[in-house]
Amino acid sequence: NAGVTQTPKFQVLKTGQSMTLQCAQDMNHEYMSWYRQDPGMGLRLIHYSVGAGITDQGEVPNGYNVSRSTTEDFPLRLLSAAPSQTSVYFCASRTLAGGYTDTQYFGPGTRLTVL
Amino acid sequence: GENVEQHPSTLSVQEGDSAVIKCTYSDSASNYFPWYKQELGKGPQLIIDIRSNVGEKKDQRIAVTLNKTAKHFSLHITETQPEDSAVYFCAASIGVGGQNFVFGPGTRLSVLP
Repeated sequence: NAGVTQTPKFQVLKTGQSMTLQCAQDMNHEYMSWYRQDPGMGLRLIHYSVGAGITDQGEVPNGYNVSRSTTEDFPLRLLSAAPSQTSVYFCASRTLAGGYTDTQYFGPGTRLTVL
Repeated sequence: GENVEQHPSTLSVQEGDSAVIKCTYSDSASNYFPWYKQELGKGPQLIIDIRSNVGEKKDQRIAVTLNKTAKHFSLHITETQPEDSAVYFCAASIGVGGQNFVFGPGTRLSVLP
């Protein structure tokens, strides 16, 4: 099992550019989510999904879109990048088979800089 | 909404000493509290968790305690080792059935040899 994979590891964008952060998991997990991590603020939930075709907003969804067409993939799209979106982005997944207390697995992160 | 506070923000201990990190939460509906360890350049990794119907849980050198009445929970690491140096995050469950989490701001633990 590769676990949760994210690409790219690093990305630099100019203000106004768009891009997609990729996330994939090979554990057949129903639940997937995206967080951003900023210094001194912990991790904040951007969007999440409890299964293919189902997505919902988290705490900080503005400026980001997601879709979930397969169980394995959960891409995060930045439509028009802004300097405030400079951050480290983490994708996470977990099974819902045992309720909501099963282990959540995180990917290695994508460090995004918007100039 | 839920708010999770975490203290201290940085903690330095001598190898072999104990370390304690404390978190408080605001939403009495939260019922699951995981702790994560994040090493430099990596994603967070679950190290221990506790459910609201349990007051304490131990796993070798790591323990977590929960006081539901006071809405606080703590991570205890005994006999610290240099490899325990990392950033630690607490979290509290929120949402329908507790499906999502609110994280604390993190504690940077340094274990000095």
